[in-house]
Amino acid sequence: GQQLNQSPQSMFIQEGEDVSMNCTSSSIFNTWLWYKQEPGEGPVLLIALYKAGELTSNGRLTAQFGITRKDSFLNISASIPSDVGIYFCAGQAAGANSKLTFGKGITLSVRP
Amino acid sequence: GAVVSQHPSRVICKSGTSVKIECRSLDFQATTMFWYRQFPKQSLMLMATSNEGSKATYEQGVEKDKFLINHASLTLSTLTVTSAHPEDSSFYICSAIQGAGGETQYFGPGTRLLVL
Repeated sequence: GQQLNQSPQSMFIQEGEDVSMNCTSSSIFNTWLWYKQEPGEGPVLLIALYKAGELTSNGRLTAQFGITRKDSFLNISASIPSDVGIYFCAGQAAGANSKLTFGKGITLSVRP
Repeated sequence: GAVVSQHPSRVICKSGTSVKIECRSLDFQATTMFWYRQFPKQSLMLMATSNEGSKATYEQGVEKDKFLINHASLTLSTLTVTSAHPEDSSFYICSAIQGAGGETQYFGPGTRLLVL
């Protein structure tokens, strides 16, 4: 089946630093989404991207839908301790009846 | 934003018993809801798609007789884990799509199931 690749599995940064996460796929998606999950909670939608090349911001977060429709990145600027969590990318293919395919997630740690 | 709730938030049960988990869309109608399972340090794996008024569609490898799904109204879907075993212990998460043809999934807070 389709898979989304996220790596590395964990990232460690200093408070105030910027961080970029990438998500790639071997197949095309029509929609890319970025979610954040904290321990014991469900994923929370951060940014949704609907068009190839689209660049969207949500506060300190910026995400882009790759031109090839096979990748997306998420940038977090000026990180703060509450940015800690697991960041998942998810893709939705055409005709998928709204089903999402998730990446394995990247665990972000922010050192104060 | 759209709010999805789950009940209970955590449940501990004995092996062989059945457990029902509820998923509710609180401020919108959801014709489609999804049920996921997440094991520790792993991603979300889709179990089934729940459509209001019709039978759920299960993903390959998910036993429909073990994981019973009922979507009786536009705001409620239930997942019943029948004859639960320790290997069914997991974090179960539902999501809902706002409106017909909507694309964005809003997730519930999850239900932690521990089967002893």
